Amino acid sequence: QVQLVESGGGVVQPGRSLRLSCAASGFTFSTYGMHWVRQAPGKGLEWVAVISYDGSDKYQADSVKGRFTISRDNSKNTLYLQMNSLRAEDTAVYYCAKDRGIYDFWSGYKGMDVWGQGTTVTVSS
Amino acid sequence: QSALTQPPSVSGSPGQSVTISCTGTSSDVGSYDRVSWYQQPPGTAPKLMIYEVSNRPSGVPDRFSGSKSGNTASLTISGLQAEDEAVYYCSSYTSSNTVVFGGGTRLTVL
Repeated sequence: QVQLVESGGGVVQPGRSLRLSCAASGFTFSTYGMHWVRQAPGKGLEWVAVISYDGSDKYQADSVKGRFTISRDNSKNTLYLQMNSLRAEDTAVYYCAKDRGIYDFWSGYKGMDVWGQGTTVTVSS
Repeated sequence: QSALTQPPSVSGSPGQSVTISCTGTSSDVGSYDRVSWYQQPPGTAPKLMIYEVSNRPSGVPDRFSGSKSGNTASLTISGLQAEDEAVYYCSSYTSSNTVVFGGGTRLTVL
């Protein structure tokens, strides 16, 4: 079945780094754009970043620009989020999600139709 | 990019209809038919309910419908059922090639 499984969350000190992974199965990973979305405790959803089907286009929220990097390895059916210079306000459940389309510069956002279960990141000293 | 504006809460009795609004700007909702709606019951991951303003993924009941006028999109749930109780989020494509979510609306079925 179609599935996304996140991993790599944990407790980390402010200023440190963490890399999240999202393993995809049950669909042709290399033909879809992929997103990271986060949700702080008790708060709403916040879009973090997206990468196009082939990795050539990447876009990020202003809140993480310059600190977080999204990437993918289509040979491993895996999405990544490298998070550097972590802050307390980055504490959240991080979800990966599949776009309905390729999400390149021309096609854009078509909705996120498959979501993982989320991985928790806690930034605290 | 500012979040889209949704009412914090709405409520309705079983069998009634409710509508949740989602207001953006001419840089997002107003310029693109790329509005999606998500349902999130407590402790679970979000679920896509509507994509591209008014399209339902397979498996989503036709009680759920979406529309848009100008800078405001709307989600209407007719024939309310207890299982519809959840937080609903809208989202939109933006002129910066990014995505923005609304703050979420908690639906209570009385």
